[in-house]
Amino acid sequence: DGGITQSPKYLFRKEGQNVTLSCEQNLNHDAMYWYRQDPGQGLRLIYYSQIVNDFQKGDIAEGYSVSREKKESFPLTVTSAQKNPTAFYLCASSRVVGEPQHFGDGTRLSIL
Amino acid sequence: QKEVEQDPGPLSVPEGAIVSLNCTYSNSAFQYFMWYRQYSRKGPELLMYTYSSGNKEDGRFTAQVDKSSKYISLFIRDSQPSDSATYLCAMGGTSYGKLTFGQGTILTVHP
Repeated sequence: DGGITQSPKYLFRKEGQNVTLSCEQNLNHDAMYWYRQDPGQGLRLIYYSQIVNDFQKGDIAEGYSVSREKKESFPLTVTSAQKNPTAFYLCASSRVVGEPQHFGDGTRLSIL
Repeated sequence: QKEVEQDPGPLSVPEGAIVSLNCTYSNSAFQYFMWYRQYSRKGPELLMYTYSSGNKEDGRFTAQVDKSSKYISLFIRDSQPSDSATYLCAMGGTSYGKLTFGQGTILTVHP
């Protein structure tokens, strides 16, 4: 089945540690996105990528980094500079930027 | 003022009721409008998508857009307990790299 796979489902980070969240899609979509969801705040865009080897900062990019080396993959690294990383992270993709986005089932990140 | 405002609820209705969910927005550059449904611990699922003002129907769901008033609605007819979820409105434009989401409305349909 076509879709977006995020892993792991749950992740724990120690102080000072970088962690990487995986996002893979087999929808042949060019555009991919990372959002953060906090209770009562809706979804906020961290980074997005329109095409391989290109990505743009969203509204809350500080403390995060991404890469887009393959069309299918858009991993997100939460660095130690992100002081409040506890959240539900959602990856999405669309055929191109400007079309409806389809989401994975998220990764919940917590601090140990 | 937020670009998109959505009443967070919670909203509790009996099974079979008609549910109305609403969002207002301030950015007249938004060109397309979506409704997502999100179950607990899951990602949002696209329910409805429209570019134009007017109504769009899909089964028990009707999306309504009024661009002149900057107001969108989602109606659910004959609501079922399985409709219990958080509903998110989202808006975007072809010049934007992102969707702008409302805060989400928590809906509970009780038997």
